[in-house]
Amino acid sequence: EADIYQTPRYLVIGTGKKITLECSQTMGHDKMYWYQQDPGMELHLIHYSYGVNSTEKGDLSSESTVSRIRTEHFPLTLESARPSHTSQYLCARGGQGRNTEAFFGQGTRLTVV
Amino acid sequence: KNEVEQSPQNLTAQEGEFITINCSYSVGISALHWLQQHPGGGIVSLFMLSSGKKKHGRLIATINIQEKHSSLHITASHPRDSAVYICAVRRETSGSRLTFGEGTQLTVNP
Repeated sequence: EADIYQTPRYLVIGTGKKITLECSQTMGHDKMYWYQQDPGMELHLIHYSYGVNSTEKGDLSSESTVSRIRTEHFPLTLESARPSHTSQYLCARGGQGRNTEAFFGQGTRLTVV
Repeated sequence: KNEVEQSPQNLTAQEGEFITINCSYSVGISALHWLQQHPGGGIVSLFMLSSGKKKHGRLIATINIQEKHSSLHITASHPRDSAVYICAVRRETSGSRLTFGEGTQLTVNP
């Protein structure tokens, strides 16, 4: 059981709007990740967190921000959405220990018009 | 050059065929993952390997650490196996973060 949940699954929003993509997990794991995936392209890490109040930028520069106030939640926010932000955003969690499975949410497909 | 290279990029097979997808990487790793992504976008972890071979149903994954190479095999392929298969590595120097290949689009025709 992946126990990692993302909402919404699909979002179409106008330019300039503020949006928050939700990601939550129920098992209390410390490591959580946000990946961005353009159609037909590979995933790129944009943010990660190894615990409460710990967030880091990933390999791909992103205008989004994240927060980790509680272990269970790792929301991603875009203050002012633009068409260039149109992409799929996947949240994932790690397990305990260094070498563990990666568990992904279903993803949020964002379209900014 | 990407740190993780997959081949082929696209693969079309007939139902029942034996399928191999390859992954080569150029960095030191602590583990390698094979993931499956269906058209809806969700990703499922198939295998995590740090050595040797793993089998789950019709899926087999192998890794050769010395050659920096892994293969994913599907025996008796079925149209429901149609998906994108992604190789991802956990670099020794980057903790638990993953670096992904571009994926292999597999289509299995009935």
